[in-house]
Amino acid sequence: SYVLTQPPSVSVAPGQTARITCGGNNIGSKSVHWYQQKPGQAPVLVVYDDSDRPSGIPERFSGSNSGNTATLTISRVEAGDEADYYCQVWDSSSDHPCVVFGGGTKLTVL
Amino acid sequence: QVQLQESGPGLVKPSQTLSLTCTVSGGSISSGSYYWSWIRQPAGKGLEWIGRIYTSGSTNYNPSLKSRVTISVDTSKNQFSLKLSSVTAADTAVYYCARDRYYYDSSGYQDYGMDVWGQGTTVTVSS
Repeated sequence: SYVLTQPPSVSVAPGQTARITCGGNNIGSKSVHWYQQKPGQAPVLVVYDDSDRPSGIPERFSGSNSGNTATLTISRVEAGDEADYYCQVWDSSSDHPCVVFGGGTKLTVL
Repeated sequence: QVQLQESGPGLVKPSQTLSLTCTVSGGSISSGSYYWSWIRQPAGKGLEWIGRIYTSGSTNYNPSLKSRVTISVDTSKNQFSLKLSSVTAADTAVYYCARDRYYYDSSGYQDYGMDVWGQGTTVTVSS
């Protein structure tokens, strides 16, 4: 089955740029989505289709995807961005296509 | 706008069947290009996709859960449901329902991610 690998944690100071990676075999050929989840809340889609933002998501959130790594970039990080972030793809490479989530990355704002 | 709400028992005994329903409000479950998914999250752990259904009844399941999972849809009630059989303590989690947007291009099926989520419901498996 397809595996997505995320770093368990990323730390960044306010105002700086946070980059959260999502590794997978030839992930650049897939459409990657990113979710933000704050404690006690449901996940929220912040980037879809590698680099598009749903309405209401700040421009500070952006994404890229190439080769074996997709990246969520959060510019000018704010305290309110502290959350868990998950990447997700649709894996159709096997006989049993399915949704795959990465293990999640905890973003800490120092 | 579309909202999702999970409902069902918060406590299930081991070996029994967990049953949850997701009610869609603010729009028809049959309109647009959407699959309807179930996802769960054990306390302190990551997200695990359980499966999804299209309003035609077509389903996809997580291979690791497939033998125990049934997802169904009732378009007349604007609901879809999850049944997970032979539960154990390992099935204790927050269960979410979500809307999964998709499209087709020259490469075939593509998805846009899960853009609407329910608030989640906690299910505990214990005797």
